Amino acid sequence: NAGVTQTPKFQVLKTGQSMTLQCAQDMNHEYMSWYRQDPGMGLRLIHYSVGAGITDQGEVPNGYNVSRSTTEDFPLRLLSAAPSQTSVYFCASSLLSGANVLTFGAGSRLTVL
Amino acid sequence: AQSVTQLDSHVSVSEGTPVLLRCNYSSSYSPSLFWYVQHPNKGLQLLLKYTSAATLVKGINGFEAEFKKSETSFHLTKPSAHMSDAAEYFCVVSVSNNNDMRFGAGTRLTVKP
Repeated sequence: NAGVTQTPKFQVLKTGQSMTLQCAQDMNHEYMSWYRQDPGMGLRLIHYSVGAGITDQGEVPNGYNVSRSTTEDFPLRLLSAAPSQTSVYFCASSLLSGANVLTFGAGSRLTVL
Repeated sequence: AQSVTQLDSHVSVSEGTPVLLRCNYSSSYSPSLFWYVQHPNKGLQLLLKYTSAATLVKGINGFEAEFKKSETSFHLTKPSAHMSDAAEYFCVVSVSNNNDMRFGAGTRLTVKP
């Protein structure tokens, strides 16, 4: 049982480059979400999805796109990376939205030069 | 919208002494509240959650938290700190009809020998 798998674990980009952070879960969770973690700011919600074909914006969505074509996968796309997007990104999932417990991936550390 | 404030960015205790990590929340609806722990370079793990049942919630590793509606607080405690408790702790608020979970900025717990 792999849980939530994020790839890559580390990535260095140049300003203006694009990339996709992958997230996959094998628990048949309907709810999936992406957070970024910055020092002194906790985790901030970027985008979330309550099921295949449904996505919505969180607290800090600008500069990021998501899609949910299957229940298992929820990729996060940076279309034109900026230094302000240097952060650690976490994908999380749960059976249902709201009060259910989140299962987190191990994180992806992104540096934008 | 809901929000959460962790009152201390850093708490330092000696091994064997009590731990108190403070959290205040703001929510227009009946909230669900969580504490997560993050050990260095790891993902987040659930410690405990409150979802309108008993106001005193027991979690893993001897931690517990008390929901006090009159004080809008959900402080995390442990009677006796262990070296392995050194980590970052996050208080989280969620509203049952809202998919937006809000994290506090985190409290770093240091345990001295």
